[in-house]
Amino acid sequence: GAGVSQTPSNKVTEKGKYVELRCDPISGHTALYWYRQSLGQGPEFLIYFQGTGAADDSGLPNDRFFAVRPEGSVSTLKIQRTERGDSAVYLCASSQSTGEGHEQFFGPGTRLTVL
Amino acid sequence: GQSLEQPSEVTAVEGAIVQINCTYQTSGFYGLSWYQQHDGGAPTFLSYNALDGLEETGRFSSFLSRSDSYGYLLLQELQMKDSASYFCAVFGDSSYKLIFGSGTRLLVRP
Repeated sequence: GAGVSQTPSNKVTEKGKYVELRCDPISGHTALYWYRQSLGQGPEFLIYFQGTGAADDSGLPNDRFFAVRPEGSVSTLKIQRTERGDSAVYLCASSQSTGEGHEQFFGPGTRLTVL
Repeated sequence: GQSLEQPSEVTAVEGAIVQINCTYQTSGFYGLSWYQQHDGGAPTFLSYNALDGLEETGRFSSFLSRSDSYGYLLLQELQMKDSASYFCAVFGDSSYKLIFGSGTRLLVRP
């Protein structure tokens, strides 16, 4: 079956611009997560959705970052006034539910480069 | 704070066995997961330990000691395709938020 997909795969933008990154989770997965991965580091948690609501956005670095999941499936991560330090791979993951041990299925990521 | 420590690089020969260690310091603990990531690819789930002991899945095994805040991933019969980065990750203060280590880059040589 189809896995988690993310678009675009690569995004190059200029400092100060606005970007949107899209995630299509596995069908039927109620939980959705966004992570950010810098070169040579592990993924870093940004936000977690259960259904349509953001249950935990404690990992968002500042108010320039925002994410939505209006219908409980597709999610969009939005970054305003991008900065060079935002350059990273943004990973989306989904799972059937949460709770101990539930495998998170990751997408291939969007590589964001801010010039 | 919350942190995970694992070696940055490990090199091994095809057919050999390699162990990747992980120690963690977290405010809470639900369980320890291991993920594999090839260059440019998505992290993929390998194993999960919530209780002390060894879990075996094919060529891969994972061990956990909660009292020592320590775990390891054991890879047997190494193949060239096992060359990748391996991340330990903890469900610390929640059952949904994974906290990842910096990863161990495994290079398998012929």
